[in-house]
Order: sequence, then C-alpha cells, then structure tokens
Amino acid sequence: EVQLVESGGGLVQPGGSLRLSCAASGFTFNSYEMNWVRQAPGEGLEWVSYISSSGRLIYNADSVKGRFTISRDNAKKSLSLQMNSLRAEDTAVYYCARQMEYMDVWGKGTTVTVSS
Amino acid sequence: SYELTQPLSVSVALGQTARITCGGSNIGSKNVQWYQQKPGQAPVLVIHTDSNRPSGIPERFSGSNSGNTATLTISRAQAGDEADYYCQVWNSSFWVFGGGTKLTVL
Repeated sequence: EVQLVESGGGLVQPGGSLRLSCAASGFTFNSYEMNWVRQAPGEGLEWVSYISSSGRLIYNADSVKGRFTISRDNAKKSLSLQMNSLRAEDTAVYYCARQMEYMDVWGKGTTVTVSS
Repeated sequence: SYELTQPLSVSVALGQTARITCGGSNIGSKNVQWYQQKPGQAPVLVIHTDSNRPSGIPERFSGSNSGNTATLTISRAQAGDEADYYCQVWNSSFWVFGGGTKLTVL
C-alpha cells in the first residue's frame, strides 16, 4: 500500500524550532518529487516547499524562505522539514505529498502549534 | 505572484449538477488539479491535468479549463460529495492553491 506518514509535530514557543518527518512506503521513493503543504486552523491549503527526486532542486514559498529547509534521504525513504524561527502564523497541520505532475498521494498530517 | 479565485461556497440539490469555478489569469494555459477535502481528513486528488480522473474517482467528477476559468463539475451530486474543494496550478517555481469552495448538498 502506498503510504506517507508524518511525525514530529507539537507545541513550540515563538522563535523556536521543530523538525517534521515523513516516512514513505509502498512505492519507489527516489523516483518522486515531494512537497510539504500546510493548513492553518479553519483556513485553506498553502504550499510550503518542494524538493526534486534527487534533492538537488528546491523551491520554497515566500512565507517560509530563510526559515524552513526541506530535505530528503532516499536511502531511508524519508522527507524532512526543518522549521526555525517559528511564528504564530506557522500554526497549522502539515502534510507531505507525493508529486508526479500533481500531488497524488498525501499523508494524514501532523499538527504544529506555535504559542507561548 | 499568481492567484486563483474560487467562490467561497456552492450549493446543489441532491442529484443535481454542481459547478465550482477557479479563476486565474490565462489559467487555460496551465494544468489544473482539483482536490476534495472532508473535515478532519487529508486532501484527495479528484481531477488532474484539467480533466483526468485518478483511478477510484467516480465518473460523476469532471473538469474543464479554458481562457481564464477552470471548472469542476460534479454530476448527480450525493451527500457524500459535501466537502471543501481546492483548485491548484504550478506556476514556474511554486504551487498555487485556490482559496477553496465549500460544497453543500441540499
């Protein structure tokens, strides 16, 4: 079964850091591009970061540039999102999503709450 | 930046046809995806590349894209279609989502 499972969410203070992970199974991970997408409470979907299958090409939303870093370990079939200098507006459910030319498989998400 | 505009809400009578629009500058030149999201669940891809249905998505779901508007059409609407729907495009170096449309089946 094709599956993505996110982990690492939690409560963090403003200015703090958190590292999210996404474990992939059931498909050839190193053949797919990957993304992080988030959804603030009661709001719509917001794309956060993209990484190519090799990891050499990365794009980030302006809202997280310089603060968030996407990475992947193809040997471990794992995607990560290092989040630094967190702000209240980063509070959201964070989803990882597999990409062909579109996001065809999504994880169930992990919740990040930034609050003092 | 590039923006996609969706109506906040659309209502449809049970068994009738719902149409959800997604407006964007020359969106007809881009590939449009549509995602369905039910409360507390992750998004599910229902249409990709303007009009293609992934396996497992009912034929009742269809899509079109031309000019400045893409449209998701849901025929013979069912209670289980009640959800938020988001359009999406790739714009050079970033993904863009529409603001989402809440579909209510009456």
